[in-house]
Amino acid sequence: KNQVEQSPQSLIILEGKNCTLQCNYTVSPFSNLRWYKQDTGRGPVSLTIMTFSENTKSNGRYTATLDADTKQSSLHITASQLSDSASYICVVSFATSGTYKYIFGTGTRLKVLA
Amino acid sequence: EAGVTQFPSHSVIEKGQTVTLRCDPISGHDNLYWYRRVMGKEIKFLLHFVKESKQDESGMPNNRFLAERTGGTYSTLKVQPAELEDSGVYFCASSLKGGSQETQYFGPGTRLLVL
Repeated sequence: KNQVEQSPQSLIILEGKNCTLQCNYTVSPFSNLRWYKQDTGRGPVSLTIMTFSENTKSNGRYTATLDADTKQSSLHITASQLSDSASYICVVSFATSGTYKYIFGTGTRLKVLA
Repeated sequence: EAGVTQFPSHSVIEKGQTVTLRCDPISGHDNLYWYRRVMGKEIKFLLHFVKESKQDESGMPNNRFLAERTGGTYSTLKVQPAELEDSGVYFCASSLKGGSQETQYFGPGTRLLVL
C-alpha cells in the first residue's frame, strides 16, 4: 500500500535552534518527493522537490535530503525563526496509467518559541 | 500576480443541503487540482483538470460530488446532498504544466462543516 509517514507528529523548539523532520514512504514506483510548508489557515506552499537522482536540495534555511534506497527523506531547518511555526507536509508522487498520483503525509506541526 | 483563490472561505450547512465551492486558478495555469483534508487525516487528491477536461477523477469519493471547469478557467465543486463525513477543508491547486515536477500552487482552502 502506498503510504507516507512523518515523524514526529509535533515538535516544539526554541528560536535559533535547528531541527530535523522525518518522512518515510512506501510509494512505488517513485517519481518525486516534495516538502510543503502550511501556515495555519493557508494552503501548502512548496519548499523543495526532489527526484530519484537527487539526494539533497536547499531552499534558504531549509535543506531536504532523500535516500531513495531506504525510502526516507528529512527536512532540516537551520537557525529556526518564529515564522517557521507551521505544519510541514511530505508528499510523494508516483506515475500510474498515464497520470501522476500524490500521496500526502499527515504532517509535522512545528512550534518555534521565543 | 494573483494566487489561487477559493470561495467561500468557510461554509456551514445542514446534512442534505447542497454546497458549491469555487476555485480560481492562477491565470494561464491549465492544470487544476482539487484536494480534501478530513479532520485528523492527510490531504487526499480528488481530481485533476487539464483545461476543461477531467484528466483524473479517481479520488472523487462518490457521485454526490460533481466538479466542473467550463471554459477551462475557474472550477466549481458541488456536493449534493452533503453528508456529515463531507466536512473538511477543500483545497484547490493549479500548475502551469501537469508533470510531476511542476510546482502546484495551493489556494487557502474552503472549510466545510456539515451539521
